[in-house]
Amino acid sequence: GNSVTQMEGPVTLSEEAFLTINCTYTATGYPSLFWYVQYPGEGLQLLLKATKADDKGSNKGFEATYRKETTSFHLEKGSVQVSDSAVYFCALEARNTGNQFYFGTGTSLTVIP
Amino acid sequence: EAGVVQSPRYKIIEKKQPVAFWCNPISGHNTLYWYRQNLGQGPELLIRYENEEAVDDSQLPKDRFSAERLKGVDSTLKIQPAELGDSAVYLCASSSSTPGGETQYFGPGTRLLVL
Repeated sequence: GNSVTQMEGPVTLSEEAFLTINCTYTATGYPSLFWYVQYPGEGLQLLLKATKADDKGSNKGFEATYRKETTSFHLEKGSVQVSDSAVYFCALEARNTGNQFYFGTGTSLTVIP
Repeated sequence: EAGVVQSPRYKIIEKKQPVAFWCNPISGHNTLYWYRQNLGQGPELLIRYENEEAVDDSQLPKDRFSAERLKGVDSTLKIQPAELGDSAVYLCASSSSTPGGETQYFGPGTRLLVL
């Protein structure tokens, strides 16, 4: 079946620290991979995506590389800011099930000044 | 451009009462999704529409949940009767039909509390 596993939170970092949020997936075929972010009181927003192996998605200083060999799509940022405090969701779009989306459980990030 | 609009934002009802949620997708988006997000969990798909046709409703509890998307634009999700376990955030999302890698745009959600 299709599923996404991401590291559990909450994660607390100091401003300017390096961030990694791990995400691994199980899928039949070649899914597209996404990171969504949910700021307090708001809906989910697409942060970045990658549609094939070795693609790197990037946005707002965040990056993630589609690693087929390790079935991973880890989210990284070199220097986090207080405004990055949010919940981050890893997701895959499974082409074998009519492009259905599967989301991880989310990782809460708090950045302190 | 307006995003996905949902209403109400919050709803508190007693168990066994009916409740309805409304969603207006982004203009031109023919695919519409309803998700349920339990506390501390990721969204789980309830139903997906392509225009006015429900193409995936396998996760929709059909004994109490129903949805419609008349004219292929706005959509309504209904629960009747509501149970305590239905307390969650109900999210609506829309996307255009780009093969592979569609970006789903989410609304702010309706937070339901069943007492």
